[in-house]
Amino acid sequence: DADVTQTPRNRITKTGKRIMLECSQTKGHDRMYWYRQDPGLGLRLIYYSFDVKDINKGEISDGYSVSRQAQAKFSLSLESAIPNQTALYFCATSGGAAEAFFGQGTRLTVV
Amino acid sequence: KQEVTQIPAALSVPEGENLVLNCSFTDSAIYNLQWFRQDPGKGLTSLLLIQSSQREQTSGRLNASLDKSSGRSTLYIAASQPGDSATYLCAVGMGGGNKLTFGTGTQLKVEL
Repeated sequence: DADVTQTPRNRITKTGKRIMLECSQTKGHDRMYWYRQDPGLGLRLIYYSFDVKDINKGEISDGYSVSRQAQAKFSLSLESAIPNQTALYFCATSGGAAEAFFGQGTRLTVV
Repeated sequence: KQEVTQIPAALSVPEGENLVLNCSFTDSAIYNLQWFRQDPGKGLTSLLLIQSSQREQTSGRLNASLDKSSGRSTLYIAASQPGDSATYLCAVGMGGGNKLTFGTGTQLKVEL
């Protein structure tokens, strides 16, 4: 099994719909992150969490919310999806100032 | 605000060639620097992590160096192979939680 698992892997949704992307990890890390990747822009940080009670906004948090249900689970929600949220979304984990591990990504298309 | 630049954006080389990928960053107050590989439609695979106190790291045919004072890192790939074809991403980890700032990557193609 992968260290960081994202579900779903692909999703097409309509404008205005609420959607949740889920992430779970088996690394035992305390820190979890959500990034989005757009062509030509690289990966950008949406939200990050140091533990269940500590959640922080990243560079581009508008239009997104997150929930840290347990140390191993971190979900990203789009309350009302819009087409410019079409992107590849990645979940990552790390333990302190150490190596970051990424999931396989969720390709989200908003039509 | 930290900015990370990778040059070149794309590179095509014949098999067997040694090559260097470049990464530069504007804020030298980093915790670490990490090189990743991304295959089309796939996730990111960590290649090498260099802590801010280190100068280089090696793994197999890969060697990454870090010069914090000049804001530069290089990834050296020895004896390139077609299987090395991928996009290589550089990311710097900043304080307050190892938040990563990424470059836009170098797309490498190794031809037979």
